[in-house]
Amino acid sequence: AQTVTQSQPEMSVQEAETVTLSCTYDTSENNYYLFWYKQPPSRQMILVIRQEAYKQQNATENRFSVNFQKAAKSFSLKISDSQLGDTAMYFCAFMKPQTSGSRLTFGEGTQLTVNP
Amino acid sequence: EPEVTQTPSHQVTQMGQEVILRCVPISNHLYFYWYRQILGQKVEFLVSFYNNEISEKSEIFDDQFSVERPDGSNFTLKIRSTKLEDSAMYFCASSEQGIPEQYFGPGTRLTVT
Repeated sequence: AQTVTQSQPEMSVQEAETVTLSCTYDTSENNYYLFWYKQPPSRQMILVIRQEAYKQQNATENRFSVNFQKAAKSFSLKISDSQLGDTAMYFCAFMKPQTSGSRLTFGEGTQLTVNP
Repeated sequence: EPEVTQTPSHQVTQMGQEVILRCVPISNHLYFYWYRQILGQKVEFLVSFYNNEISEKSEIFDDQFSVERPDGSNFTLKIRSTKLEDSAMYFCASSEQGIPEQYFGPGTRLTVT
């Protein structure tokens, strides 16, 4: 079974600065996907970014980028130019692709607070 | 932009009662999921549904739970006899064929008293 670990329960950053959230996972699979989801106080789950394990290039979406280290099973999220609206719980998630639908396995989450 | 919707947003029920949580997935999506999140904890997978049948379920999804797609748009989660520990946020998600991203609804907060 796959496990996802987020070792930082809480983090804070000043507005406009950069912050990195850590995630490690354990799997014996070679083909998989990794995601970061954001959960603001509304508790809606919002997809932030996706990384395919077979791609060496790190994914980027505007101010959000990842550092994917497959051998180390590490998948960190970097948020540049942090904004107040980035305040949220961030969940790292693992997916092994299957033809009939694939479950997401989530980490415990990191509560990020962006301070003005 | 299409989105997953869920009703109701908040449901309060008494222990032992049956509840049905409703979801309308994105219209061209073929894969449907239910997850739950107990307050302060991580999001946990319950069940996936494809081609009108359950494709995978977790150990949480016991005989008290069932899912159904009664028509072409709705996807429901039924809890037959609710327990206090069923109190949680329940999220529906959907994805389309060949695309791994799952899109989540806003959730239904279930409170069992």
